[in-house]
Amino acid sequence: KNEVEQSPQNLTAQEGEFITINCSYSVGISALHWLQQHPGGGIVSLFMLSSGKKKHGRLIATINIQEKHSSLHITASHPRDSAVYICAVYRAQTQGGSEKLVFGKGTKLTVNP
Amino acid sequence: DVKVTQSSRYLVKRTGEKVFLECVQDMDHENMFWYRQDPGLGLRLIYFSYDVKMKEKGDIPEGYSVSREKKERFSLILESASTNQTSMYLCASSLMYGGIFYGYTFGSGTRLTVV
Repeated sequence: KNEVEQSPQNLTAQEGEFITINCSYSVGISALHWLQQHPGGGIVSLFMLSSGKKKHGRLIATINIQEKHSSLHITASHPRDSAVYICAVYRAQTQGGSEKLVFGKGTKLTVNP
Repeated sequence: DVKVTQSSRYLVKRTGEKVFLECVQDMDHENMFWYRQDPGLGLRLIYFSYDVKMKEKGDIPEGYSVSREKKERFSLILESASTNQTSMYLCASSLMYGGIFYGYTFGSGTRLTVV
């Protein structure tokens, strides 16, 4: 079983719809990252959070540490939101070095006009 | 803003060639990472480095090596390229200071095709 599971794998929505992408993880973490990858490859950090909720424009990320679950919400979705959204968790290393990210496999979102 | 620059966006190499992928970051980050990304598999860590001349194997180091002679530059080397190394390669850097983690910054990726 993967340490980080995302659902759904693929999501198609109509412009204006409210979108939710879910992320569940099975390891102890210090923080969780939501990333956005547009066609062409570059990855952009959307949020890093370790508790509660963060909001940036139409994007909202929540995390429940006890339930080991996070959600990414997009309100009033737009075709330019079409991208792959990746959840990643920071799993602390036991012997020095840095924390490493463990990635989910991503959710491909397509928003149609 | 931190910038992570990968030297090539697209690269085509022949089987058996030695391939160098370069990554440079401009914010004095200690930690640098190389990932490959394949459909259905997500991002997988190849190697990482938390200081100059330091390197550690990630989850899939076989067929790769790395070099970090300067803090800002982290190179991924394919000693003898093979077709199963055709992939998207992503570099990232991060900073941890005083126990506070400042998050990852990714490069734009290099799509490598080995023919």
